[in-house]
Amino acid sequence: DAGITQSPRHKVTETGTPVTLRCHQTENHRYMYWYRQDPGHGLRLIHYSYGVKDTDKGEVSDGYSVSRSKTEDFLLTLESATSSQTSVYFCAISDLRMNTEAFFGQGTRLTVV
Amino acid sequence: GESVGLHLPTLSVQEGDNSIINCAYSNSASDYFIWYKQESGKGPQFIIDIRSNMDKRQGQRVTVLLNKTVKHLSLQIAATQPGDSAVYFCAESGGGADGLTFGKGTHLIIQP
Repeated sequence: DAGITQSPRHKVTETGTPVTLRCHQTENHRYMYWYRQDPGHGLRLIHYSYGVKDTDKGEVSDGYSVSRSKTEDFLLTLESATSSQTSVYFCAISDLRMNTEAFFGQGTRLTVV
Repeated sequence: GESVGLHLPTLSVQEGDNSIINCAYSNSASDYFIWYKQESGKGPQFIIDIRSNMDKRQGQRVTVLLNKTVKHLSLQIAATQPGDSAVYFCAESGGGADGLTFGKGTHLIIQP
Protein backbone atom coordinates (compact mmCIF):
# COMPACT_ATOMS: atom_id res chain seq x y z
CA ASP A 1 0.00 0.00 0.00
CA ALA A 2 2.72 2.43 -1.02
CA GLY A 3 4.01 2.91 2.53
CA ILE A 4 0.86 4.36 4.03
CA THR A 5 -0.31 3.39 7.49
CA GLN A 6 -3.59 4.47 8.99
CA SER A 7 -4.35 4.16 12.67
CA PRO A 8 -6.51 3.03 14.23
CA ARG A 9 -8.06 0.65 11.71
CA HIS A 10 -11.31 0.48 13.64
CA LYS A 11 -12.81 2.73 16.26
CA VAL A 12 -16.11 3.06 18.05
CA THR A 13 -16.72 6.31 19.85
CA GLU A 14 -19.56 8.15 21.50
CA THR A 15 -21.32 11.20 20.16
CA GLY A 16 -19.68 14.39 21.36
CA THR A 17 -16.23 12.94 21.97
CA PRO A 18 -13.12 14.08 20.09
CA VAL A 19 -11.47 11.62 17.75
CA THR A 20 -8.15 11.79 15.93
CA LEU A 21 -7.18 9.57 13.04
CA ARG A 22 -3.59 9.31 11.96
CA CYS A 23 -2.01 8.79 8.57
CA HIS A 24 1.67 8.04 8.30
CA GLN A 25 3.61 7.76 5.03
CA THR A 26 7.12 6.65 4.25
CA GLU A 27 7.16 7.83 0.61
CA ASN A 28 8.07 11.47 1.26
CA HIS A 29 5.15 12.59 -0.93
CA ARG A 30 4.24 16.23 -0.65
CA TYR A 31 0.47 15.91 -0.92
CA MET A 32 -1.74 14.11 1.55
CA TYR A 33 -5.52 13.74 1.55
CA TRP A 34 -8.32 12.59 3.75
CA TYR A 35 -11.40 11.09 2.10
CA ARG A 36 -14.51 9.58 3.54
CA GLN A 37 -16.44 6.77 1.87
CA ASP A 38 -20.15 6.32 2.35
CA PRO A 39 -22.84 4.29 0.56
CA GLY A 40 -24.48 6.43 -2.08
CA HIS A 41 -21.65 8.98 -2.14
CA GLY A 42 -18.46 7.18 -3.04
CA LEU A 43 -15.23 8.84 -1.92
CA ARG A 44 -15.39 12.50 -0.96
CA LEU A 45 -12.49 14.78 -0.11
CA ILE A 46 -12.49 16.18 3.43
CA HIS A 47 -9.19 18.05 3.69
CA TYR A 48 -5.84 17.92 2.04
CA SER A 49 -2.31 19.14 2.65
CA TYR A 50 0.23 20.45 0.18
CA GLY A 51 3.10 20.65 2.63
CA VAL A 52 4.03 20.92 6.27
CA LYS A 53 1.51 23.22 7.97
CA ASP A 54 -0.20 23.87 4.63
CA THR A 55 -3.72 22.53 4.47
CA ASP A 56 -6.97 23.32 2.72
CA LYS A 57 -10.59 22.28 2.76
CA GLY A 58 -12.19 19.76 0.51
CA GLU A 59 -15.79 19.07 -0.43
CA VAL A 60 -17.01 17.90 3.00
CA SER A 61 -14.82 19.67 5.56
CA ASP A 62 -17.45 20.78 8.09
CA GLY A 63 -16.87 19.17 11.49
CA TYR A 64 -13.30 18.18 10.68
CA SER A 65 -9.90 19.72 11.19
CA VAL A 66 -6.45 18.55 10.12
CA SER A 67 -2.86 19.13 11.01
CA ARG A 68 0.44 18.35 9.39
CA SER A 69 3.45 19.08 11.52
CA LYS A 70 5.76 16.67 9.66
CA THR A 71 5.92 15.55 6.05
CA GLU A 72 5.09 11.98 6.99
CA ASP A 73 2.09 12.56 9.27
CA PHE A 74 -1.36 13.92 8.51
CA LEU A 75 -3.92 13.95 11.31
CA LEU A 76 -7.68 14.19 10.95
CA THR A 77 -9.62 15.37 14.00
CA LEU A 78 -13.31 15.25 14.69
CA GLU A 79 -13.65 17.81 17.47
CA SER A 80 -17.04 16.53 18.59
CA ALA A 81 -18.07 13.36 16.79
CA THR A 82 -21.60 13.02 15.43
CA SER A 83 -23.43 9.99 14.08
CA SER A 84 -23.26 11.47 10.56
CA GLN A 85 -19.50 11.07 10.75
CA THR A 86 -19.79 7.31 10.94
CA SER A 87 -17.88 6.30 7.83
CA VAL A 88 -14.77 4.70 6.42
CA TYR A 89 -11.92 7.18 6.24
CA PHE A 90 -9.11 6.86 3.75
CA CYS A 91 -5.82 8.66 3.65
CA ALA A 92 -4.11 9.14 0.30
CA ILE A 93 -0.80 10.55 -0.87
CA SER A 94 0.54 11.89 -4.14
CA ASP A 95 3.70 13.57 -5.30
CA LEU A 96 1.96 16.11 -7.52
CA ARG A 97 -0.95 18.47 -6.88
CA MET A 98 -3.08 17.10 -9.68
CA ASN A 99 -3.08 14.95 -12.78
CA THR A 100 -1.41 12.08 -11.04
CA GLU A 101 -2.47 8.96 -9.25
CA ALA A 102 -2.98 8.95 -5.51
CA PHE A 103 -2.03 6.00 -3.33
CA PHE A 104 -4.45 4.98 -0.65
CA GLY A 105 -4.14 3.53 2.81
CA GLN A 106 -6.21 0.63 4.09
CA GLY A 107 -8.83 2.82 5.71
CA THR A 108 -10.21 3.45 9.18
CA ARG A 109 -13.73 2.36 10.01
CA LEU A 110 -15.21 4.84 12.47
CA THR A 111 -18.52 4.26 14.19
CA VAL A 112 -20.09 7.03 16.25
CA VAL A 113 -22.78 5.78 18.62
CA GLY B 1 -21.41 4.54 -11.84
CA GLU B 2 -24.31 5.86 -9.82
CA SER B 3 -24.05 4.85 -6.17
CA VAL B 4 -22.09 2.80 -3.71
CA GLY B 5 -23.54 0.20 -1.34
CA LEU B 6 -27.26 -0.47 -1.52
CA HIS B 7 -27.63 1.48 -4.73
CA LEU B 8 -24.36 0.42 -6.31
CA PRO B 9 -24.64 -0.46 -9.98
CA THR B 10 -23.68 -4.06 -10.47
CA LEU B 11 -22.18 -5.75 -13.47
CA SER B 12 -22.21 -9.53 -13.49
CA VAL B 13 -20.07 -11.36 -16.06
CA GLN B 14 -18.99 -14.91 -16.71
CA GLU B 15 -15.41 -15.86 -15.93
CA GLY B 16 -13.38 -15.57 -19.09
CA ASP B 17 -15.67 -13.00 -20.73
CA ASN B 18 -14.72 -9.38 -21.28
CA SER B 19 -16.10 -6.69 -18.95
CA ILE B 20 -16.88 -3.09 -19.74
CA ILE B 21 -17.45 -0.64 -16.92
CA ASN B 22 -18.70 2.81 -17.78
CA CYS B 23 -18.37 6.17 -16.08
CA ALA B 24 -19.72 9.63 -16.84
CA TYR B 25 -17.57 12.45 -15.50
CA SER B 26 -18.77 15.89 -14.62
CA ASN B 27 -16.09 18.49 -15.25
CA SER B 28 -15.34 19.30 -18.87
CA ALA B 29 -12.12 21.00 -17.73
CA SER B 30 -10.71 17.79 -16.21
CA ASP B 31 -7.63 16.63 -18.03
CA TYR B 32 -6.61 13.48 -16.22
CA PHE B 33 -8.65 10.37 -15.52
CA ILE B 34 -7.96 7.29 -13.50
CA TRP B 35 -9.54 3.95 -12.66
CA TYR B 36 -9.28 2.38 -9.23
CA LYS B 37 -10.17 -1.10 -8.01
CA GLN B 38 -11.36 -1.57 -4.46
CA GLU B 39 -11.61 -4.99 -2.89
CA SER B 40 -13.65 -5.55 0.23
CA GLY B 41 -11.99 -4.12 3.32
CA LYS B 42 -9.16 -2.48 1.38
CA GLY B 43 -8.27 0.90 0.03
CA PRO B 44 -8.60 1.78 -3.67
CA GLN B 45 -5.79 0.52 -5.87
CA PHE B 46 -4.63 2.16 -9.08
CA ILE B 47 -5.43 0.27 -12.28
CA ILE B 48 -4.81 2.59 -15.18
CA ASP B 49 -4.90 6.27 -16.07
CA ILE B 50 -5.31 8.40 -19.17
CA ARG B 51 -4.70 12.04 -20.01
CA SER B 52 -7.11 14.15 -21.98
CA ASN B 53 -4.84 14.29 -25.04
CA MET B 54 -5.45 10.58 -25.55
CA ASP B 55 -8.58 8.59 -26.28
CA LYS B 56 -7.29 5.11 -25.54
CA ARG B 57 -4.68 3.53 -23.34
CA GLN B 58 -3.90 -0.12 -22.78
CA GLY B 59 -2.40 -1.96 -19.88
CA GLN B 60 -2.17 -5.58 -18.96
CA ARG B 61 -5.66 -7.01 -19.67
CA VAL B 62 -7.19 -3.54 -19.21
CA THR B 63 -8.01 -0.76 -21.63
CA VAL B 64 -9.34 2.69 -20.83
CA LEU B 65 -11.31 4.65 -23.41
CA LEU B 66 -11.99 8.37 -23.13
CA ASN B 67 -14.67 10.23 -25.05
CA LYS B 68 -14.35 13.89 -24.16
CA THR B 69 -17.21 14.92 -26.41
CA VAL B 70 -19.75 13.19 -24.22
CA LYS B 71 -17.64 13.16 -21.05
CA HIS B 72 -17.53 9.39 -20.88
CA LEU B 73 -14.89 7.03 -19.63
CA SER B 74 -14.86 3.25 -19.85
CA LEU B 75 -12.73 0.45 -18.48
CA GLN B 76 -12.47 -2.77 -20.41
CA ILE B 77 -11.15 -5.88 -18.68
CA ALA B 78 -10.24 -8.76 -20.93
CA ALA B 79 -10.73 -12.42 -19.98
CA THR B 80 -12.21 -11.60 -16.60
CA GLN B 81 -10.90 -13.63 -13.67
CA PRO B 82 -12.33 -14.28 -10.19
CA GLY B 83 -9.76 -11.91 -8.74
CA ASP B 84 -11.31 -9.09 -10.74
CA SER B 85 -14.35 -9.09 -8.47
CA ALA B 86 -14.34 -5.69 -6.78
CA VAL B 87 -15.82 -2.22 -6.88
CA TYR B 88 -14.38 -0.06 -9.63
CA PHE B 89 -14.20 3.72 -9.40
CA CYS B 90 -13.41 6.28 -11.99
CA ALA B 91 -11.85 9.56 -10.87
CA GLU B 92 -11.01 12.83 -12.55
CA SER B 93 -8.45 15.51 -11.86
CA GLY B 94 -7.61 18.99 -13.06
CA GLY B 95 -10.14 21.62 -13.95
CA GLY B 96 -9.09 23.73 -10.98
CA ALA B 97 -9.89 21.27 -8.21
CA ASP B 98 -7.28 19.72 -5.98
CA GLY B 99 -7.11 16.02 -5.44
CA LEU B 100 -9.27 13.51 -7.27
CA THR B 101 -13.03 13.65 -7.74
CA PHE B 102 -14.51 10.18 -7.67
CA GLY B 103 -17.51 8.61 -9.31
CA LYS B 104 -19.71 6.47 -7.16
CA GLY B 105 -18.48 3.07 -8.29
CA THR B 106 -19.62 -0.10 -10.02
CA HIS B 107 -19.57 -3.53 -8.40
CA LEU B 108 -18.17 -6.18 -10.75
CA ILE B 109 -19.22 -9.74 -9.96
CA ILE B 110 -17.58 -12.68 -11.69
CA GLN B 111 -19.76 -15.73 -12.21
CA PRO B 112 -17.95 -19.10 -12.37
